[in-house]
Amino acid sequence: AQTVTQSQPEMSVQEAETVTLSCTYDTSESDYYLFWYKQPPSRQMILVIRQEAYKQQNATENRFSVNFQKAAKSFSLKISDSQLGDAAMYFCAYRLFYSSGSARQLTFGSGTQLTVLP
Amino acid sequence: ETGVTQSPTHLIKTRGQQVTLRCSSQSGHNTVSWYQQALGQGPQFIFQYYREEENGRGNFPPRFSGLQFPNYSSELNVNALELDDSALYLCASSLETSGSARETQYFGPGTRLLVL
Repeated sequence: AQTVTQSQPEMSVQEAETVTLSCTYDTSESDYYLFWYKQPPSRQMILVIRQEAYKQQNATENRFSVNFQKAAKSFSLKISDSQLGDAAMYFCAYRLFYSSGSARQLTFGSGTQLTVLP
Repeated sequence: ETGVTQSPTHLIKTRGQQVTLRCSSQSGHNTVSWYQQALGQGPQFIFQYYREEENGRGNFPPRFSGLQFPNYSSELNVNALELDDSALYLCASSLETSGSARETQYFGPGTRLLVL
């Protein structure tokens, strides 16, 4: 079974600074997706960024970028120029690319609570 | 384009009762997945509906059941509620084809269920 581990329950960053959130995962598959989702106090789970495992290039979305190390099974999220609105719980998630029947679900880590200090 | 919506936003039930939660998928999406998120934890997969049939289930007992309708909206039903069922229930929709999971799942705002 696939597992996702986020070892940092809480992180804080000064406004305008850079912060990196860590994620590791365990899988025997070669084709999969990795995601970072953000969940603010409003509870809505919002997609931040997505990475296809077959792509060597790291995904970027404006101030958000990832460091994807497939061999190490590591997938960290870097937030540059942190803003107050970035404060939220961040979840790392894994999803198998191919499946027959079941196993199309997202497997989530336990989350990292990010605080942005003014 | 309409996003994923869920109703109700909050619900209070007592142990042993039954509850139905509803989800409307995003326009153009054909698949709905349900997740349970206990306080302070990541979401846990309950089950997924694709073309009106259950297409995978996580480690949840049969008293958790669901439906998907022709318009791809979905219901989650929980019978014989237990205190541990208190959680945020999230619905996510996506566009799937048989055999591959190419598309991202987009989440609704959730239903907060409290069982007393």
